[in-house]
Amino acid sequence: GQQVMQIPQYQHVQEGEDFTTYCNSSTTLSNIQWYKQRPGGHPVFLIQLVKSGEVKKQKRLTFQFGEAKKNSSLHITATQTTDVGTYFCAGNFGNEKLTFGTGTRLTIIP
Amino acid sequence: GAVVSQHPSWVICKSGTSVKIECRSLDFQATTMFWYRQFPKQSLMLMATSNEGSKATYEQGVEKDKFLINHASLTLSTLTVTSAHPEDSSFYICSALLAGTDLNQPQHFGDGTRLSIL
Repeated sequence: GQQVMQIPQYQHVQEGEDFTTYCNSSTTLSNIQWYKQRPGGHPVFLIQLVKSGEVKKQKRLTFQFGEAKKNSSLHITATQTTDVGTYFCAGNFGNEKLTFGTGTRLTIIP
Repeated sequence: GAVVSQHPSWVICKSGTSVKIECRSLDFQATTMFWYRQFPKQSLMLMATSNEGSKATYEQGVEKDKFLINHASLTLSTLTVTSAHPEDSSFYICSALLAGTDLNQPQHFGDGTRLSIL
């Protein structure tokens, strides 16, 4: 079946350092969504990207959708302890159901 | 807005028990709801898509007779894990789509239910 992979699986950073997670699909996505799941919590929607090459920013978070609509990235500038959690990308292949990526677990060293 | 309530949040029960989990959209109508299962340190795996007034669509490998889904109203879907066994222990999460939107729209997630079968 169609899969969405994320790297890295885990990332430990010092507070204040930057963090990036990458999302890759073997086939074209109609859109990409990003969710954050805090430890013990549920996924919370962050953003959706639809257009090829689209870039969106939310304060310290920058989201990109690749030109071929097969990959995406989330970059966090100057991480804070509140950024701890697992970040999932999720995409639709055409009008099919949402497929979640494998996730990147971010931990912050104070 | 777009709040989804899931109940109960935690269940511990004996093997062989059936467990019912409710997913409610509190401030919007949802013709489509989803049920996911998440094992520790893993991603969300879609179990089934629940459509109001019709039969649920199950993903490959998910037993429809074991995981009974009912979506009788625009604000409530239920998942019943029948004759639960220890291997069914997991984090079950529901999500909902705003009525009238397609599958490409963001989903609104409930808080999840931690199911532990002894």
